[in-house]
Amino acid sequence: GNSVTQMEGPVTLSEEAFLTINCTYTATGYPSLFWYVQYPGEGLQLLLKATKADDKGSNKGFEATYRKETTSFHLEKGSVQVSDSAVYFCALMNSGYSTLTFGKGTMLLVSP
Amino acid sequence: DAGVIQSPRHEVTEMGQEVTLRCKPISGHNSLFWYRQTMMRGLELLIYFNNNVPIDDSGMPEDRFSAKMPNASFSTLKIQPSEPRDSAVYFCASSTRPNQPQHFGDGTRLSIL
Repeated sequence: GNSVTQMEGPVTLSEEAFLTINCTYTATGYPSLFWYVQYPGEGLQLLLKATKADDKGSNKGFEATYRKETTSFHLEKGSVQVSDSAVYFCALMNSGYSTLTFGKGTMLLVSP
Repeated sequence: DAGVIQSPRHEVTEMGQEVTLRCKPISGHNSLFWYRQTMMRGLELLIYFNNNVPIDDSGMPEDRFSAKMPNASFSTLKIQPSEPRDSAVYFCASSTRPNQPQHFGDGTRLSIL
């Protein structure tokens, strides 16, 4: 079956530090991969996506590259801000299907 | 543009009571999803609809849970009777088509005492 594994949090960083949140997946076929972000008290928001191998998704300074050979989709940002503090979810959707499989989420805390 | 609207935002009730959660998807979105989020289990898909028809309800925990979508702009998730282990945040999401990115509501935080 499908599964998504994320690094456990919380990840604690100082403002302007470099961020990496690891995500690996198990799936049949060629899934699409997503990163969602959840701010306190809110629902999940789509941050970025990639639909095929070697695609790079990017948004708001965040990037992730679809690596089929390592079944990974790590989230990176060069310089985090306090406003980036949130929970980040990696997810996959198999082609031909409609349902998302989510990781457990990784909390990011950025201090001034 | 209005996003996915859920009500109520918070619900506190005693075990055994009936609970009804409501969702209004984004206009023009044909697919609707109900999720449950807990610390222990993370995000779980309960059920999803396409064009108002339930497509996959394999995630519904048990017969106490039921979901309906009487029209394209409204869905309900009902728990009867409720139990303390149902306490969670319940999210509704919608998308234009089943395999397109989903847009989430702000959730309903449910506490069963």
